Amino acid sequence: GESVGLHLPTLSVQEGDNSIINCAYSNSASDYFIWYKQESGKGPQFIIDIRSNMDKRQGQRVTVLLNKTVKHLSLQIAATQPGDSAVYFCAEAYTGANSKLTFGKGITLSVRP
Amino acid sequence: DSGVTQTPKHLITATGQRVTLRCSPRSGDLSVYWYQQSLDQGLQFLIQYYNGEERAKGNILERFSAQQFPDLHSELNLSSLELGDSALYFCASSEGTGLGGYTFGSGTRLTVV
Repeated sequence: GESVGLHLPTLSVQEGDNSIINCAYSNSASDYFIWYKQESGKGPQFIIDIRSNMDKRQGQRVTVLLNKTVKHLSLQIAATQPGDSAVYFCAEAYTGANSKLTFGKGITLSVRP
Repeated sequence: DSGVTQTPKHLITATGQRVTLRCSPRSGDLSVYWYQQSLDQGLQFLIQYYNGEERAKGNILERFSAQQFPDLHSELNLSSLELGDSALYFCASSEGTGLGGYTFGSGTRLTVV
């Protein structure tokens, strides 16, 4: 597939290690957060979400942590696999009327075999 | 297949021209969102429609317009195209509020030459 070709920071991890991808969000009123994964040639795919009344949520091999005090969101991927190589975006929203997701710049995760 | 269909997948056109990008949302989704993804800007929100009506506007240029039809498909019209309009254009859909995230299509890659 074609590459997105984004000029983004890259996180390189060894296969099998845990990955931590960080995101600083901008709107203190945001109450809903999502992590998306974008593979080459595809649109962003939903990974996991968290509401502001929580500070941690776990999925399959992924954990999202939310620190509202410092407006920080992180995605932890356990036992990183080559298939995890992709661009990762955090997104925030205030779920009032006409809410929309605002995306962060994204980080490229590169998994070394 | 995410259920969101975008056509065409690729489009090459000359400066000054006009193009139309098409999006069919996932079955049952009433909201359609358009995003532009360029090399340096990441995912930029353009516009949202809900059940045929415009709901929110982002960084959409006056040369760009969109609409959502009664069958809920949406079109994004880009006119007087400039080299800087070259980007990936994504459509996403959601049931309503967007909680639970958006489902993205595979995008249309527009190249203006």
